[in-house]
Amino acid sequence: AQSVTQPDIHITVSEGASLELRCNYSYGATPYLFWYVQSPGQGLQLLLKYFSGDTLVQGIKGFEAEFKRSQSSFNLRKPSVHWSDAAEYFCAVRNTGFQKLVFGTGTRLLVSP
Amino acid sequence: DVKVTQSSRYLVKRTGEKVFLECVQDMDHENMFWYRQDPGLGLRLIYFSYDVKMKEKGDIPEGYSVSREKKERFSLILESASTNQTSMYLCASSSTSGQGYNIDSGNTIYFGEGSWLTVV
Repeated sequence: AQSVTQPDIHITVSEGASLELRCNYSYGATPYLFWYVQSPGQGLQLLLKYFSGDTLVQGIKGFEAEFKRSQSSFNLRKPSVHWSDAAEYFCAVRNTGFQKLVFGTGTRLLVSP
Repeated sequence: DVKVTQSSRYLVKRTGEKVFLECVQDMDHENMFWYRQDPGLGLRLIYFSYDVKMKEKGDIPEGYSVSREKKERFSLILESASTNQTSMYLCASSSTSGQGYNIDSGNTIYFGEGSWLTVV
């Protein structure tokens, strides 16, 4: 069965510093991978997704993620964090047969001044 | 823009009540989903539907049912609400067609803003 692990429950980053959020997945074939962001009290917004091709994926709001098959990872990065990036971030994987998404437990990002 | 609308943002219901959570999408999507979100557990799939009148159980269907009589509408039903169903419920939809890489193209799953349900 598919699974997604986000090992960091909380991360605090200074404004302007770089960010990396970790995501590891378990899936037998090439997965479809996603990162979503959720602001407090809101639904989920898609940041980026990987289906195939270039393993470095660019998303919205200056985020990028790199798919590393050998490490079963899909880490999210941003070179310079803004206070408005404070939110919860979810990594998700889906199978190639259907649209069902399996989510990690999320990482809450706090941005300090 | 794709819009997934959950009609009730905040509800308070009593134990044993029948509860309906409604979701409407405006993009003619084939697939619709209901997730439940709890702290430390992430999002867990309750039910999904890939066509009108079709439904499939997700990972935690117990205590829930769904209805999809029209393509744009997917309802989650709590037959007899219990306190352990206090949670945030998220509806989502997606299209089956297309494999584009654009972030807004087909196969992206779009979420509503969520419905906070408290059962007392």
